[in-house]
Amino acid sequence: QSALTQPASVSGSPGQSITISCTGTSSDIGSYNLVSWYQQHPGKAPKLILYEVSKRPSGVSSRFSGSNSGNTASLTISELQAEDEADYYCCSYAGSSWVFGGGTKLTVL
Amino acid sequence: QVQLVESGGGVVQPGRSLRLSCTASGFTFSSYAMHWVRQAPGKGLEWVAVISYDGSIKYYAGSVKGRLTVSRDNSKNTLYLQLNSLRAEDTAVYYCAKDVDWKYFDYWGQGTLVTVSS
Repeated sequence: QSALTQPASVSGSPGQSITISCTGTSSDIGSYNLVSWYQQHPGKAPKLILYEVSKRPSGVSSRFSGSNSGNTASLTISELQAEDEADYYCCSYAGSSWVFGGGTKLTVL
Repeated sequence: QVQLVESGGGVVQPGRSLRLSCTASGFTFSSYAMHWVRQAPGKGLEWVAVISYDGSIKYYAGSVKGRLTVSRDNSKNTLYLQLNSLRAEDTAVYYCAKDVDWKYFDYWGQGTLVTVSS
């Protein structure tokens, strides 16, 4: 199972919006509406920020939103804040296995 | 609150074995599937294995199948990962994560570092 494809890095200024794409195949993202997104700050464990494409766990800011189309999912962070600077990983169920994206480093300028 | 605490990592020579543990609290451990996810230094996350709530179903990533074995002891609220025939490429932080309906991972431990080196 190959990793999902994410851009290595994205950047934005405080207050702006950014979108991170996550491209898979018809065997993972394209077959299941089971994409989740995780935020990881340096030296910390990953934290769930979106599940089932666009649902937010309790306590996660509404500035985080998700969507998908075909084999590609997207994470949008609006009104960027300094604390959003982190690595972001998408993940998809792939039928008795799970596959992650390579990760995207978000820099808040 | 949910807590997952991994232990058992360390430095091990190539070809040797190691057993990792993940002790859970704050939820009914025996009702949930559990996962292992690893992260090589400076690299991304890689799903490794999942075990069903009762241990009857196990799935592994192709890269580790045959060398890593996941198990659990619900009486001790503990998840295990047995790593055999270790290779340099197994060097990583190993996280345990709580499953939600075989869909995603809602809680993660802080991880334990395994370094395979002679």
